[in-house]
Amino acid sequence: DADVTQTPRNRITKTGKRIMLECSQTKGHDRMYWYRQDPGLGLRLIYYSFDVKDINKGEISDGYSVSRQAQAKFSLSLESAIPNQTALYFCATSETGGPEAFFGQGTRLTVV
Amino acid sequence: RKEVEQDPGPFNVPEGATVAFNCTYSNSASQSFFWYRQDCRKEPKLLMSVYSSGNEDGRFTAQLNRASQYISLLIRDSKLSDSATYLCVVEQGGYSTLTFGKGTMLLVSP
Repeated sequence: DADVTQTPRNRITKTGKRIMLECSQTKGHDRMYWYRQDPGLGLRLIYYSFDVKDINKGEISDGYSVSRQAQAKFSLSLESAIPNQTALYFCATSETGGPEAFFGQGTRLTVV
Repeated sequence: RKEVEQDPGPFNVPEGATVAFNCTYSNSASQSFFWYRQDCRKEPKLLMSVYSSGNEDGRFTAQLNRASQYISLLIRDSKLSDSATYLCVVEQGGYSTLTFGKGTMLLVSP
């Protein structure tokens, strides 16, 4: 089983719908992140959390919200999906003070 | 100016070739530096950290020049399995979040 698990892996949704992407980890890391990846734009940070009570906006947080339900769970919500939120979304974790980020397998989201 | 810049490639090389990737970063307060590898439609994975003294891991050598804010990755004796996108990654000092370059695609052909 993967250490960082994202669900769903693929999702097609309609404009205006609310959608939640979920991430869970078994690595015991405090830090969790949500990134999106677009062709030609690379990985961009949406939100990050350094512990359960800490939530921070990243580079492109508009249109997104997050919830850190537990150390192991970090979910990303699109309150009202729009087509330009079509992208590959990655959740990642890291240890406090540790350099390496461990990524989930990604969620391919299409907004039509 | 983009915080982490890389040549997008693609770099097309034959097996056995030596190839070098370059990366520049804009934040002089950056603390840590890495190369990640990403296979098509897969998640990024750490390839190696980059130290000021330079470091080597088998066929891969990474170099950091803090004065020039420049990072490099050298791959010797390229294998078909090296075909991937290589991401230059910088940890932003003070925030401990990772900033990714757009990546350089490498295609190794027989």
